[in-house]
Amino acid sequence: DAMVIQNPRYQVTQFGKPVTLSCSQTLNHNVMYWYQQKSSQAPKLLFHYYDKDFNNEADTPDNFQSRRPNTSFCFLDIRSPGLGDAAMYLCATSREGTRMIHEQYFGPGTRLTVT
Amino acid sequence: GEDVEQSLFLSVREGDSSVINCTYTDSSSTYLYWYKQEPGAGLQLLTYIFSNMDMKQDQRLTVLLNKKDKHLSLRIADTQTGDSAIYFCAESSGNKLVFGAGTILRVKS
Repeated sequence: DAMVIQNPRYQVTQFGKPVTLSCSQTLNHNVMYWYQQKSSQAPKLLFHYYDKDFNNEADTPDNFQSRRPNTSFCFLDIRSPGLGDAAMYLCATSREGTRMIHEQYFGPGTRLTVT
Repeated sequence: GEDVEQSLFLSVREGDSSVINCTYTDSSSTYLYWYKQEPGAGLQLLTYIFSNMDMKQDQRLTVLLNKKDKHLSLRIADTQTGDSAIYFCAESSGNKLVFGAGTILRVKS
């Protein structure tokens, strides 16, 4: 089945230790998104790739970076995680060329714990 | 900026109807969406409505849109225990989605 896969599902990192979360998709969608979701809050868009074009949200901290080496894969790098970065990180995809560019397909998320 | 607001919690009995409400601010939103999130899972698109529609029905789901008041609702008929989840309202903004904080639906058997 075509899907959005996130690895790992649970990640524990130490304060200040760089961590990378990964996302892959078999949908061949050209748009990929990373969201941060804290408990009882709305998913917050960090950035998205439109093909290879990187689009950063104005309020995304510099601590968060992303890479998209090809259509299928996208990575979220947190350079120096702080305690406030503990959250669920959601990857999503959508397909340009339809009216439903906003119809996003989500992965199961990676829950990040910072100790 | 864009803002989407929802009530935090709704509790219903199995078999009753559930109504989850949402207000949004961006009058230029082309589409409005309802997503469902089960524990430990990502968000799943439930249904959507185009901004020039007032109502959309999809099996047990009915979406009502009052564009004048920027009010969106999701009605779930014959609510089942499997409907227990967090429901997110979202508005389109450019090529992005703006989500509400989610409504926790608890279904009591």
